Amino acid sequence: EIVLTQSPGTLSLSPGERATLSCRASQSLSSSYLAWYQQKPGQAPRLLIYGASSRATGIPDRFSGSGSGTDFTLTISRLEPEDFAVYYCQQYGSSWTFGQGTKVEIK
Amino acid sequence: EVQLVESGGGLVQPGGSLKLSCAASGFTFSGSAMHWVRQASGKGLEWVGRIRSKANSYATEYAASVKGRFTISRDDSKNTAYLQMNSLKTEDTAVYYCARGWYADYWGQGTLLTVSS
Repeated sequence: EIVLTQSPGTLSLSPGERATLSCRASQSLSSSYLAWYQQKPGQAPRLLIYGASSRATGIPDRFSGSGSGTDFTLTISRLEPEDFAVYYCQQYGSSWTFGQGTKVEIK
Repeated sequence: EVQLVESGGGLVQPGGSLKLSCAASGFTFSGSAMHWVRQASGKGLEWVGRIRSKANSYATEYAASVKGRFTISRDDSKNTAYLQMNSLKTEDTAVYYCARGWYADYWGQGTLLTVSS
């Protein structure tokens, strides 16, 4: 089973700041089968990024994904108030596994 | 508009059974893999399992934590996927989501299962 480890666990930032979230896989992900999701309290997760770097439909361009192999990053260039949430990475190359999540909170 | 609507959650005693449904609309259900993902209160996302399309022989795969107890099925004529849960344990308590596709581009709103005596 591929294990995904996200860091940091919590990120405390102010609106307008840049957020950098990390996701490390226990083994190399074939063809960058890595996705990122945003989840707000009481809501289902929402797809942000797939294929490590492709934005899903309707996702603002302040969200970007990068990386390959075992190391991946989600960057939010300038945090908007609605971006404070929990973010999960997921690999979908070998069944599915999720990281444990990174909470982006208001500083 | 793509919609996924889960139903069937509720309170079940340990050792009991329950069947969840996921009704789909707005896309070609028969061509899509469908997954179940759960989330215990205050915890992260845990993949439960998936069923592939008819073209992929309706192949199923399950997480180790539910293998042998849970069964995923689908009825393409009703655009519905199912999660049959047997031998339920207290640690199965969670919100259960269904999700579409290779990666989860659409999710339902979730249905709550509580396993408690």
